[in-house]
Order: sequence, then C-alpha cells, then structure tokens
Amino acid sequence: KAGVTQTPRYLIKTRGQQVTLSCSPISGHRSVSWYQQTPGQGLQFLFEYFSETQRNKGNFPGRFSGRQFSNSRSEMNVSTLELGDSALYLCASSSGQGLSTGELFFGEGSRLTVL
Amino acid sequence: AQSVSQHNHHVILSEAASLELGCNYSYGGTVNLFWYVQYPGQHLQLLLKYFSGDPLVKGIKGFEAEFIKSKFSFNLRKPSVQWSDTAEYFCAVSDYKLSFGAGTTVTVRA
Repeated sequence: KAGVTQTPRYLIKTRGQQVTLSCSPISGHRSVSWYQQTPGQGLQFLFEYFSETQRNKGNFPGRFSGRQFSNSRSEMNVSTLELGDSALYLCASSSGQGLSTGELFFGEGSRLTVL
Repeated sequence: AQSVSQHNHHVILSEAASLELGCNYSYGGTVNLFWYVQYPGQHLQLLLKYFSGDPLVKGIKGFEAEFIKSKFSFNLRKPSVQWSDTAEYFCAVSDYKLSFGAGTTVTVRA
C-alpha cells in the first residue's frame, strides 16, 4: 500500500511569491491534515480536510489556504511568501472520521526555503 | 486548544541505558494521547497511542507509555535503548485537533 506522497520535495522561492504544495493520501483515507515543522516551533497544525471540507484550522494567517479534491488529494497554498515561511510542510492522512483519532500517516514533507 | 509540553529538548544516552521522556498537556477532558517518532531521514511515524483503558500502553520497538490522568501526563519509557533509537520524539494530544509538543531529540551513543 503506497504511503502519503508529497510533491515537490524541495523548493526555493523568493519573498512575495506564492507556492502550492500537493499531497496524495493513502488510498481510502479521506482525512488530510497539514502541519508546518520548524526547528523553533515544532509541529504547528495548519488545517484539516475531510471529504473536501475544511473541518479544522490552526492559527495561521489567511495567506495559508488549502483545499481537498473529490479523490481526497489535497493542496495547500501560501501566498505572499515571507522569510519566516521557510519550513518543512507535512501532510498526514487518516482513515478515521475525525482528526481526534490522531492516528496519522505522514508524508516525507515538502521543504520550502524562502529567500 | 491544548498545549503540550515536553520536558527535555535533547537527551544523550549510552546504549543499554533507560530512557524516560516527559510529556504534559494543558487541560483535561477526553483526549487521545500519542507518541510519534521521526528517525533521521525518515517521516514521522506512530510509536504508540492511548485512547482508553489500561493506562500503561505498549508500542513498537519496546517502548511503553503511562497515562496519569491526575497529572495530565503521558511519559514515554524504554528500559534499554539501542543506537537505532536515535531520533526525535514528539508527544501529541488530540481533542478536536492534534497538538504536538516541541519534540525531544534523543541521541544514543554506541
């Protein structure tokens, strides 16, 4: 069974640009959540989607957005990039009905560097 | 939202030493508790979980954790570590969303 796939794995952008990251969950998983991982802040919850609906959202500015498609694949977008957005962005999928089950399967992440 | 506190930022051990990592969360109610591990160069993976029942839970690779409700704690233990346990360990608590601690880097010296 294929794991969670994230693309691209690495990317470099400059301030003010925007970026779109993609996540393909494990087949059959309908919940996809996104996290930002940085050395100083650890893992910060961005948002969670279930059946194409955003179910929960973390404390990030509106520049961070996401969506989920009917096949459960998800994308997240960051507009007007800032230096502080440099991080590893992790996607996780779950077979459960809710994020509260907590049994997440993580991808390897997309490492974004903003110059 | 929950806040999760991990007591140690970096722990250095020798092989065969015992390991205990502390984790506390901010408030009660019904929560699910987890430890995730990230080995060097690998993705995060679930080490063990607690939903209900026996507060002493066993996970993979000889790890166990004890839930103490009165202390809002979920500490991770392993009696004898190996070099391959070198990794970053994250405690996580779930109510309506999953909140992670800052992580503890464990370095096991051969």
